[in-house]
Amino acid sequence: KQEVTQIPAALSVPEGENLVLNCSFTDSAIYNLQWFRQDPGKGLTSLLLIQSSQREQTSGRLNASLDKSSGRSTLYIAASQPGDSATYLCAVSDSNYQLIWGAGTKLIIKP
Amino acid sequence: DAGITQSPRHKVTETGTPVTLRCHQTENHRYMYWYRQDPGHGLRLIHYSYGVKDTDKGEVSDGYSVSRSKTEDFLLTLESATSSQTSVYFCAISDPGTGGFYEQYFGPGTRLTVT
Repeated sequence: KQEVTQIPAALSVPEGENLVLNCSFTDSAIYNLQWFRQDPGKGLTSLLLIQSSQREQTSGRLNASLDKSSGRSTLYIAASQPGDSATYLCAVSDSNYQLIWGAGTKLIIKP
Repeated sequence: DAGITQSPRHKVTETGTPVTLRCHQTENHRYMYWYRQDPGHGLRLIHYSYGVKDTDKGEVSDGYSVSRSKTEDFLLTLESATSSQTSVYFCAISDPGTGGFYEQYFGPGTRLTVT
């Protein structure tokens, strides 16, 4: 059974720092991996989708990498801003086009 | 933002009463999903649909039923609500899109409290 783990559960850093969020999964047979952002009391916003054949995807200050063989993905945020404060979730897609979710990393960027 | 709405956005109900949550999309996406989100558990799939009248169970389907009579609407019903069903419920949609990869888009959520 696929399991997705995100470490750390919470992270607080000063504004301007570059940071990395981690996601690991137990079964490398995935179709894709998605990173989402969730603001308090709000829905989820898709940030990046990495196909199983890809190594990384970039969107603005965000870069997500995927290493299927080791069961790991990282989300790199450059030059962090207070507006980046949110919970970040990763999810992997299995053969049934369902998503298996990590519990998320709560990120706080201090001004 | 993808055109997904959920209604109601907030609901308080009593144990034992039936409750129906509605998800409506304007994107004509084939797949629709219902999740619940609870502290310490992350998101868990309740049911999903892969077309009109085509549905399947997810990880936590006990106590829930769904229906999809039109492409745009996916209903989640709690036949007899229990306190353990107090949660935030999210609807999501997806479609193969370019390359066939099912990127999911989420609605704003419904906060349900069962007293």
